[in-house]
Amino acid sequence: NAGVTQTPKFQVLKTGQSMTLQCAQDMNHEYMSWYRQDPGMGLRLIHYSVGAGITDQGEVPNGYNVSRSTTEDFPLRLLSAAPSQTSVYFCASSSPGRTGTDTQYFGPGTRLTVL
Amino acid sequence: QQQVKQSPQSLIVQKGGISIINCAYENTAFDYFPWYQQFPGKGPALLIAIRPDVSEKKEGRFTISFNKSAKQFSLHIMDSQPGDSATYFCAASTTSNTGKLIFGQGTTLQVKP
Repeated sequence: NAGVTQTPKFQVLKTGQSMTLQCAQDMNHEYMSWYRQDPGMGLRLIHYSVGAGITDQGEVPNGYNVSRSTTEDFPLRLLSAAPSQTSVYFCASSSPGRTGTDTQYFGPGTRLTVL
Repeated sequence: QQQVKQSPQSLIVQKGGISIINCAYENTAFDYFPWYQQFPGKGPALLIAIRPDVSEKKEGRFTISFNKSAKQFSLHIMDSQPGDSATYFCAASTTSNTGKLIFGQGTTLQVKP
């Protein structure tokens, strides 16, 4: 199993450009989430999905769109990049266990710089 | 509004010492409290987790202590090793909303040899 994969690893954008961060998992997990990590802020939830066709907003959803057409893929779209979106983005997946625990498995991250 | 507050921001411990990281939460609906460990350039990985029906959980050198009335929980790393040097995040969620982890700000731990 590859686990959670993210592409690209690094990206530089100019203000106003759009792009899609890719995330895929091969563990057949129902839940997938996107977080951004900024110094001193921890990880903040952007959007999440509990299954194909179902998405919801997290703490910081503005400026980002998501869709979930398959169980495996959960792309994150930046509509019009802004310098405030410079961050490291992590995708995670999980599957509710029988005991209700929720181990989230994180991808390696995408480091995005917006100039 | 920070629902989970973590301290200290950074911590330096000698090899063999005890590392202690504290977290406090506000939402009494939270019922799942994991700790994640992150090495530079990597994604976070689950270290240990606890639910409020127990006050302590131990896995090897790592122990979570939980105080439901104070809405606080902490991570203790016994016999700290240089390989433990990493960033540690506490988090919280509700069972009904798994996948929506609320993270603390993180603690950078350095264990000196």
